[in-house]
Amino acid sequence: QVQLQESGPGLVKPSETLSLTCTVSGGSISSYYWSWIRQPAGKGLEWIGRIYTSGSTNYNPSLKSRVTMSVDTSKNQFSLKLSSVTAADTAVYYCARDVGLPLGWVYFDYWGQGTLVTVSS
Amino acid sequence: QSVLTQPPSVSGAPGQRVTISCTGSSSNIGAGYDVHWYQQLPGTAPKLLIYGNSNRPSGVPDRFSGSKSGTSASLAITGLQAEDEADYYCQSYDSSLSGEVFGTGTKVTVL
Repeated sequence: QVQLQESGPGLVKPSETLSLTCTVSGGSISSYYWSWIRQPAGKGLEWIGRIYTSGSTNYNPSLKSRVTMSVDTSKNQFSLKLSSVTAADTAVYYCARDVGLPLGWVYFDYWGQGTLVTVSS
Repeated sequence: QSVLTQPPSVSGAPGQRVTISCTGSSSNIGAGYDVHWYQQLPGTAPKLLIYGNSNRPSGVPDRFSGSKSGTSASLAITGLQAEDEADYYCQSYDSSLSGEVFGTGTKVTVL
C-alpha cells in the first residue's frame, strides 16, 4: 500500500519561501508523476503542479513564476518550493500520486494526509 | 476561481438518491477530457471515488456512479448513508489553463 507523508515548517513569514517534502513509502517513486495540491481553509482544491521522476515538471500557470519542484529518487522523496509567499498562500498542502497521461488524462489515486502551512509574521 | 461549477450543497434522507453536477466548458469537459470525482470526509484528505468518468476504484461501493455528457458530468449516490456525508469534488483538465482543475465542491448532507 503506497503511503505519502508531507513534512516541512508549519509557519512561514510573508515574502519568504515555503518548502515542503513528500516522502513516498510502500512503493517506488520511479515511473510516476507526483503532484502538489493545496486547499485554503473552508475552500476548494487547487492543483499546484507535478514532477516526473526524471525531473520534468508541469506547473499551474497561475503559480508558475513562484513554484519550483524537485525529486530525489534515492530517498523516494519529492519537494515543493513556493517563493514570495503571502497570506493567500495559507492552506493545507497535499502531495498526491498521478495516474494516467499528463495534459488531459490524469487523476490522483494516493494522497498524503496534508500539512497546514500558515503564512504570518 | 474554478472553471468547473458544482452546486454548493445537496441533501437527502437515508436511502434516497442524490446527484451532483459538474459543469464545465469547451476547454475542459466539453473537449473530451476525463472527469474524476473525490470524496473528502471532514478533516481528511480527498479520496478517489470515480476515475475516467464512470469507473470505481477497488473498494468503492457501487452506490456511487459517474457519468459525463457534453460539457457536464454527474456523480450519483444511491441508497444514501450517513457515512456519505462529506464534500465532493470533480476534477478534469483545462486546455486553456494548461493544467488540472477542480470543481467548486459540493457538501452532501444526510438528513
